Amino acid sequence: GAGVSQSPSNKVTEKGKDVELRCDPISGHTALYWYRQSLGQGLEFLIYFQGNSAPDKSGLPSDRFSAERTGGSVSTLTIQRTQQEDSAVYLCASSMRGGHRNEQFFGPGTRLTVL
Amino acid sequence: AQKITQTQPGMFVQEKEAVTLDCTYDTSDPSYGLFWYKQPSSGEMIFLIYQGSYDQQNATEGRYSLNFQKARKSANLVISASQLGDSAMYFCAMRGYSGNTGKLIFGQGTTLQVKP
Repeated sequence: GAGVSQSPSNKVTEKGKDVELRCDPISGHTALYWYRQSLGQGLEFLIYFQGNSAPDKSGLPSDRFSAERTGGSVSTLTIQRTQQEDSAVYLCASSMRGGHRNEQFFGPGTRLTVL
Repeated sequence: AQKITQTQPGMFVQEKEAVTLDCTYDTSDPSYGLFWYKQPSSGEMIFLIYQGSYDQQNATEGRYSLNFQKARKSANLVISASQLGDSAMYFCAMRGYSGNTGKLIFGQGTTLQVKP
C-alpha cells in the first residue's frame, strides 16, 4: 500500500522514559503533520513540516516534545521523560504541499500508554 | 484564533435516511478551507469532503454534501441514504490560509450510529 505508515502501532512505557514515534509519509508528499488524540477527544495539532523544515511548531505541548524530518520523508516524534498525561494516540498525516485544498492523509496512529 | 464547534456529541439515524451533522466555525482569516473526516472504530481518519471559503457552490462527494452558509459560519455535513457502514465518529476541521502553516483545527466530533 502507498498510504501513511506509522510505527510502532502500540507503545507502552514507564513514566520518565523517552519514546520515539516514526512516520513514513506518502511518497512525494512534501508536507507532514503530527497530531495527538486523547481518549474521546478531537485532534490536537502538534507540528507541521514542509520538506525538512518545521515552520509551525506551535502545538508542541512542552520542551519534552521534539520532532525532526530527514530527506523530506520520514519523521520522528520524540517525547522525553514521558508523563502519564502524554498517553494518547499520535497521528501523522501528509499532503502534497501546504497549500490550499490538499487534503491530509492520515496514518493509523501510534497508541502511547505511559504507566 | 480559530475554533470549530460541533454541538452534537451523538446522533442516531435510521438506515437509508439522510442525516445532518452540524459544524460552526470561527476565524479571522479571509480565506480558509473546511474539511470533514470520518473515523471508524478502527481509528483511521478518512477524508470525506472539502469546501473552500470562496467556492461558489456547495461541495458534494457521492452521498456526502456540505451545506456551507458563510454568513452564519456553518459547514454542516449531510449524508444521504445512510448505510450501516456510516456508523463512526465524524470530525469537522478548518484550515486558515494566512501564515505559513497547514495545520487543521478540529472540532470535538460527532458520533453517528446508523440503525438497521
